[in-house]
Amino acid sequence: GAGVSQSPRYKVTKRGQDVTLRCDPISSHATLYWYQQALGQGPEFLTYFNYEAQPDKSGLPSDRFSAERPEGSISTLTIQRTEQRDSAMYRCASSLSRGKTDTQYFGPGTRLTVL
Amino acid sequence: AQSVTQLGSHVSVSEGALVLLRCNYSSSVPPYLFWYVQYPNQGLQLLLKYTSAATLVKGINGFEAEFKKSETSFHLTKPSAHMSDAAEYFCAVSDGGYQKVTFGTGTKLQVIP
Repeated sequence: GAGVSQSPRYKVTKRGQDVTLRCDPISSHATLYWYQQALGQGPEFLTYFNYEAQPDKSGLPSDRFSAERPEGSISTLTIQRTEQRDSAMYRCASSLSRGKTDTQYFGPGTRLTVL
Repeated sequence: AQSVTQLGSHVSVSEGALVLLRCNYSSSVPPYLFWYVQYPNQGLQLLLKYTSAATLVKGINGFEAEFKKSETSFHLTKPSAHMSDAAEYFCAVSDGGYQKVTFGTGTKLQVIP
């Protein structure tokens, strides 16, 4: 596609429910990143994919968080048993490759609110 | 470990005045440095990046930043602010083998007519 898209744009859920967020990267991009951005903070790295491989998931805050990219294109981020502290903006970005200086293109984000 | 510190969570300037947004970094290896801008309801957009070439980096929309190793700084400037510059600006650093980027907490720029 022309840019990175994310869905839904807004998600409100109750504590304890599972949620799945979706990211559709730029079609030619091999690398995809997930970030979590709390209110008043900068984005924090969660994990990244190079095609379908997930070389680094060190930023995932707990085992309730998981991500996948099974066909090397669309990715999902799933949060199980959501907690109020999971409320944040979740941002996805993609880049042509995982080179140090390859520009990351960000999607508009999904605002998650856990009640 | 890499980190960035942005001084001032809110900055106000008059239209036509100089814009100066401050960023200091910490990195154990020569860093790659970035400035991103975020407009309301939009994703982050890259303004400019430093990748160990010229220390003065020019970006989009008339912005530029200077890498100063001795001061561990990468401040963002624009000679004359425009109303459309009102947004949130993030400084970021990467020293990984890929772009594992660490962002600052952001500075919201207000432009007063």
